[in-house]
Amino acid sequence: DAGVTQSPTHLIKTRGQQVTLRCSPKSGHDTVSWYQQALGQGPQFIFQYYEEEERQRGNFPDRFSGHQFPNYSSELNVNALLLGDSALYLCASLRGIGLVAGVTQYFGPGTRLTVL
Amino acid sequence: SQQGEEDPQALSIQEGENATMNCSYKTSINNLQWYRQNSGRGLVHLILIRSNEREKHSGRLRVTLDTSKKSSSLLITASRAADTASYFCATGRKTGNQFYFGTGTSLTVIP
Repeated sequence: DAGVTQSPTHLIKTRGQQVTLRCSPKSGHDTVSWYQQALGQGPQFIFQYYEEEERQRGNFPDRFSGHQFPNYSSELNVNALLLGDSALYLCASLRGIGLVAGVTQYFGPGTRLTVL
Repeated sequence: SQQGEEDPQALSIQEGENATMNCSYKTSINNLQWYRQNSGRGLVHLILIRSNEREKHSGRLRVTLDTSKKSSSLLITASRAADTASYFCATGRKTGNQFYFGTGTSLTVIP
């Protein structure tokens, strides 16, 4: 049973460019969340997707956008990259956004984005 | 902004000793979860405690939750060098299953 997978592992971009990160949730999971973790900080919630719609959003500008596909996989897109977007981007999945709260979410290994 | 705050920020102990780290949060929660992260990679779920629970155990881990003080503690007993990692608490609200992480405690276990 594959866990949460993310691609690519590492990515280097320059300011102003656009980037797309990908995530496949754990088998049986239908909800995907994205987090940004700057160096030395805890993860910060970007947004959450369920049934191909953005359901929750953290305090991130609309340069950050996402998508969820019918197979529950997800993409995170960041436009007009800034130096401050350099971080580890983590994807997490769980089953049943609308069900009982307190469900364990499982994280992928992350994508390390460096913006030069 | 971060929801939780872990304390201490860094902790260094000898192998075999117990490690205790604390988490404080600001708003009402449905649950609180502890995660471990090795070397800036993905987070590994350790334990979940719901707001109506006061204590949970899992192997060498013991978690307590005091909702009146909005705080939780994670105790790792008989620590091992492999426990060296950053530990984060994450709080879950009543709906939506989005989680808010603290800044983490960096634990070093010296062999």
